[in-house]
Amino acid sequence: SQQGEEDPQALSIQEGENATMNCSYKTSINNLQWYRQNSGRGLVHLILIRSNEREKHSGRLRVTLDTSKKSSSLLITASRAADTASYFCATDAWDDKIIFGKGTRLHILP
Amino acid sequence: DAGVTQSPTHLIKTRGQQVTLRCSPISGHKSVSWYQQVLGQGPQFIFQYYEKEERGRGNFPDRFSARQFPNYSSELNVNALLLGDSALYLCASTPNVGELFFGEGSRLTVL
Repeated sequence: SQQGEEDPQALSIQEGENATMNCSYKTSINNLQWYRQNSGRGLVHLILIRSNEREKHSGRLRVTLDTSKKSSSLLITASRAADTASYFCATDAWDDKIIFGKGTRLHILP
Repeated sequence: DAGVTQSPTHLIKTRGQQVTLRCSPISGHKSVSWYQQVLGQGPQFIFQYYEKEERGRGNFPDRFSARQFPNYSSELNVNALLLGDSALYLCASTPNVGELFFGEGSRLTVL
């Protein structure tokens, strides 16, 4: 079963624009992570935010976490063609199992 | 340092056959997790092993089994293959908890 649900399922934006993806989850968590996957390849870790953190930055990435709403957002600023990929949120709860959502497919238009 | 390596990268099997997939974690990582990813979906958790002990199991039938060896490498076995087992099987390692480091996966096609 999926713990997280990303929204939207698919997103197309012009190069240079910002992309925002959202993730909602169901149970209490220790951490929330975001991963990127290029078509048919392995997943690459982007950023981890702990349950006691509200916002975190890494380069062009900004992640927020609202534990009261059980939601997170990933913002990619100044998008580039190379950002075209699927993005997944992943949560780990008391049992340390990391559970992934269904993902957002991001397409950057030239 | 080498990343997580998986073998084989691609394989084709027929229904009813058995398959073994292999994973070598990053040196120093003691935990290995297995995920199944069907086309267009997110990775589904199958197993997690830490220090050769099963730490977690997802909602998969008993046809799926795994083990971790003393060198922390791991195998995933699937018996009595079904068409629905066709997927990308991903292995990930981690020192203990937190960030997962993924291999490129083994793409299984069941005919």
